[in-house]
Amino acid sequence: QPALTQPRSVSGSPGQSVTISCTGSSSDVGNYKYVSWYQHHPGKAPKLIIFDVTKRPSGVPDRFSGSQSGNTASLTISGLQAEDEADYYCCSYAGSYNWVFGGGTSLTVL
Amino acid sequence: QVQLQESGPGLVKSSQTLSLTCSVSGGSIGSGSWNWIRQSAGKGLEWIGVIYASGSTSFNPSLKSRATISLYTSKNQFSLSLTSVTAADTAIYYCAKAGGRWGWHAFDFWGQGTMVSVSS
Repeated sequence: QPALTQPRSVSGSPGQSVTISCTGSSSDVGNYKYVSWYQHHPGKAPKLIIFDVTKRPSGVPDRFSGSQSGNTASLTISGLQAEDEADYYCCSYAGSYNWVFGGGTSLTVL
Repeated sequence: QVQLQESGPGLVKSSQTLSLTCSVSGGSIGSGSWNWIRQSAGKGLEWIGVIYASGSTSFNPSLKSRATISLYTSKNQFSLSLTSVTAADTAIYYCAKAGGRWGWHAFDFWGQGTMVSVSS
C-alpha cells in the first residue's frame, strides 16, 4: 500500500489540461514543502519534473505545474501533447531522512 | 551530466541476499545523497534508503533492518544489500541521486533500473 494516494489513471485530449492529485497525511505532504513529481516512460529512467511543490528544473516546459493544499499535492499538465503519455509519480519527504512515493498515475493522451 | 548505472544478478534465491551496485559517472560521489528506489510489478515506486557522502545512512522502516547501503568513493560506486529476500522483493531496482542543484528532496538523476527476480 503506497504511502501517498494517486488516481490510477487519467486521460485527456491533445491541448487539454489534466490534474493528478497526490494525497498524503500531516506526517508527509501536509508537514513539508518537499513534494516532487516524476515522469516515467516504462523502460526509461524516471525524470524529475517538479520539486519543492511548485518549482521546475531547467528544461522542463512550463506546461507542467505543481501546487499543494493541506495534505494533497497536485500536478497539472496543460496543453497536453502526445509525448506526455507516461506514468507520473509524486514523492514527499516524510521526516527523519525518509521519503515516500505515490502509487503512480498512468496518463493517456486520447 | 551525472549518469548512474545499476548492475548485479537478475535472479536471487529466496532467503538469500540481494546485492546491487550503482556506478556513477560524470560527477563525484563525494557530494550529494545516493539512493535506492524500487518498483514492484503493477505497483508504485518505493524508496529503500539513502547514503550521504559523509557515509551516514537512512532506510525505509518497512524493510525492518534488512537493507545496507555502502559507499565506495575510490570507485565512484555505491551498493545495496538486502538480506532474507522473498518474492515480495522482486522488482526493478533504481539508483538515484539527490542533493544536487535542485536540493536534498529532488531525485534529479536516475539509473535505467535493473530487474531482480526472487526465485523459490
